[in-house]
Amino acid sequence: GDSVTQMEGPVTLSEEAFLTINCTYTATGYPSLFWYVQYPGEGLQLLLKATKADDKGSNKGFEATYRKETTSFHLEKGSVQVSDSAVYFCALEHNTDKLIFGTGTRLQVFP
Amino acid sequence: DAGVIQSPRHEVTEMGQEVTLRCKPISGHDYLFWYRQTMMRGLELLIYFNNNVPIDDSGMPEDRFSAKMPNASFSTLKIQPSEPRDSAVYFCASRTGGRSYGYTFGSGTRLTVV
Repeated sequence: GDSVTQMEGPVTLSEEAFLTINCTYTATGYPSLFWYVQYPGEGLQLLLKATKADDKGSNKGFEATYRKETTSFHLEKGSVQVSDSAVYFCALEHNTDKLIFGTGTRLQVFP
Repeated sequence: DAGVIQSPRHEVTEMGQEVTLRCKPISGHDYLFWYRQTMMRGLELLIYFNNNVPIDDSGMPEDRFSAKMPNASFSTLKIQPSEPRDSAVYFCASRTGGRSYGYTFGSGTRLTVV
């Protein structure tokens, strides 16, 4: 069945460092892909999305490109801030109404 | 828009008691989802509704769990009787339109069963 695999966390970075969180998926065809962010004590918030191959989603300095050839949707940010500390979830939706989430990756950014 | 509203934010109850969690989706959203989040199992989809009708309840753990959506602006998730292993954060989310729109999540209810 369809699935999402994320890199294990936590990812620990200093402020202004470059961020990559890897996400790969398994699905036939062309799923829609999403990144959600969860700040402590809050629900998940949609960060960005891409609905077809080679699309780039972007928001708040974060970017992810839908790579069909590598079935990947890696999240990147050029310069992280302490306020970016959160848990990041990769997800896909394909041929159903249900989002399939990865296990989440915790990001910790230190000043 | 006030977003997806869940109540209560925190609930502490004794084992065996009935617990009811509430959700008000965003007006106009025709899909509603209930998720459970734990450290061990991550995010689990329990059940979802479309136009107030339950579509898939395959994630509901057992008969102690039930969910209803009597109208487009309200849904409940009930656990009766509650057990300590039900302790988790329960999220409600809603969505409209096509599948690429993504969900809007509520802030969750943290349930502790002692």
